[in-house]
Amino acid sequence: AQTVTQSQPEMSVQEAETVTLSCTYDTSENNYYLFWYKQPPSRQMILVIRQEAYKQQNATENRFSVNFQKAAKSFSLKISDSQLGDTAMYFCAFMKHDAGNMLTFGGGTRLMVKP
Amino acid sequence: DTGVSQNPRHKITKRGQNVTFRCDPISEHNRLYWYRQTLGQGPEFLTYFQNEAQLEKSRLLSDRFSAERPKGSFSTLEIQRTEQGDSAMYLCASKRGTGDHFGPGTRLTVL
Repeated sequence: AQTVTQSQPEMSVQEAETVTLSCTYDTSENNYYLFWYKQPPSRQMILVIRQEAYKQQNATENRFSVNFQKAAKSFSLKISDSQLGDTAMYFCAFMKHDAGNMLTFGGGTRLMVKP
Repeated sequence: DTGVSQNPRHKITKRGQNVTFRCDPISEHNRLYWYRQTLGQGPEFLTYFQNEAQLEKSRLLSDRFSAERPKGSFSTLEIQRTEQGDSAMYLCASKRGTGDHFGPGTRLTVL
């Protein structure tokens, strides 16, 4: 079974600064995907960024980028130029590349962006 | 693409009552998932459908839980004889490829 661990329950950052959220995972699989999801207060979960394990290049989406270290089983999210709208719960998630394709989530990190 | 919708958004019930939630996925998505999220935690997988077939159920899904997806369109999740421990947000997600689209969830409170 896969496990996903987010060791930072809460973090805060000043607006316009950069913040990095940590995620580690445990799996014996070689072919899988990793995701970061954002869940704003009282709003639905949305996909921020995804990474295929077979790709060595780190994924980027505008102000969001990841540092994927496959050997270390680490998948951190960097948010540059933080905005007030980035305030949310952030969940790291793992998905095996198999028939089910269900997600295994970490416990989440609550990010507060301060003006 | 109108997104994934879930109804009701909130449900308050008394212990022992039955409740049913509905999820309408994005129309071309053949896979539909149910997750449960308790306060301050990440979502946990409950069950998933490919078209109308329910292909996997988590051990979290006790005998009091049943899910259906008739005709491979909308899905329902029923909880019989609710318990206080069932209080949670129930999330539905659908997808065609690798990116899940989540609905807003149904928040269940069992008194």
